[in-house]
Order: sequence, then structure tokens, then C-alpha cells
Amino acid sequence: DSGVTQTPKHLITATGQRVTLRCSPRSGDLSVYWYQQSLDQGLQFLIQYYNGEERAKGNILERFSAQQFPDLHSELNLSSLELGDSALYFCASSVGLMGYQETQYFGPGTRLLVL
Amino acid sequence: KNEVEQSPQNLTAQEGEFITINCSYSVGISALHWLQQHPGGGIVSLFMLSSGKKKHGRLIATINIQEKHSSLHITASHPRDSAVYICAARGGGADGLTFGKGTHLIIQP
Repeated sequence: DSGVTQTPKHLITATGQRVTLRCSPRSGDLSVYWYQQSLDQGLQFLIQYYNGEERAKGNILERFSAQQFPDLHSELNLSSLELGDSALYFCASSVGLMGYQETQYFGPGTRLLVL
Repeated sequence: KNEVEQSPQNLTAQEGEFITINCSYSVGISALHWLQQHPGGGIVSLFMLSSGKKKHGRLIATINIQEKHSSLHITASHPRDSAVYICAARGGGADGLTFGKGTHLIIQP
């Protein structure tokens, strides 16, 4: 158990809908990272938040947004969903802000299926 | 943009064999990550290394910063080592990680 929690575990929805994925980092970790894993693209970095502020942005679509709250949990909002958004969404956390040179702890993931 | 490549893509071996998975990247980095993804989907961070070698149990990771290459070795492989192994490095401008496509390892009893 990494100490990172994600809800829900599974989500089935329809095209055009909006969903919210939630992540709680390990106690003491200030950074939260969101990743998307699809069959064709593999793992991709979406966005990082550090202590409530956006820190780094990767291949995140404009239809997607995220935020980190004062209690450090984070939410990833996906809107106007398309079939191609079906994927596993992971969040990870780390202590500091330079995740590329820190150990990241991954949550169990949310499996999203868009029908 | 950092290109991260892994080889082989798929590897099937017999229990007890010594396993090597390779990872190369195109842009100089300060650290490289090795991750393990279980068949159920969960991801575990195995190593984060910036130089030399690290060992944890039967797993050994090495990195050569000058040659932009890292290897993950598994000694005395066991069926429970069957998983996808993924390397990742700083992507370049975005500060996020760029991932290799993974090596799907199957250890047969």
C-alpha cells in the first residue's frame, strides 16, 4: 500500500459527460501528479500540483482540468468526454516539487470507460 | 523532448534465469526511474537513480549518465516477477516524466 488513495476505482460514463477523479496523497507529500495510461499511448504525464499551485503541465487536453485543495487532495476533472479518453488514470505523490528526481508513490488508479 | 526507449518489448524466461531490461534516453537527465506495473494495474516505484548502481533484494538497477543508458537486472527470477517494467525520465521542458513503452516480462515456472 503506497498510502495514495484514489476514488473511484472504476467509472463508466457516456460520451459528452463530465467526471471528477479524486486523489489523496501520502501524508506529508506536497506534490500530486496525474498520469493517463491508454493502450496506444502508454503512460503520459498530465499535470503536477505542488502545495496548491500548478507546477508543471504535460499532455493535458483543454477539456481536462485539475486542482489541489488546501488539504492537499487533488481532483482531475474530465469534460466533454470522448471514446478516446477511456484509460487508466493514476495519481502519484512525492514530498517535494521536483518529481523527476524524487521517488513518486502511485495510487491504485481509476479505470475510466467512456461508452 | 526526451525520447525514452526500452528493450525488449516482451521477454519470456524460465524461473531462475538472469533478466536484463534496457532503457535509453535522448536528453541528459538528473535521475531515472524504474517502475513495476502488476497484472492488476498497480504501479510501484522500484528505483530512482542518478548515478552508479542500486540494489534491492534480487533487483539491481544501473545507470550510465554519459551513455544515456540504464539497465534493470533481476537475479534468480521467479514467476511473481512477471509484470510490466517501465523506465521514466525527465521529459525536458515540462518537468514531468516521460515514460518508455514498458517491457512485458513473463517468468515461467
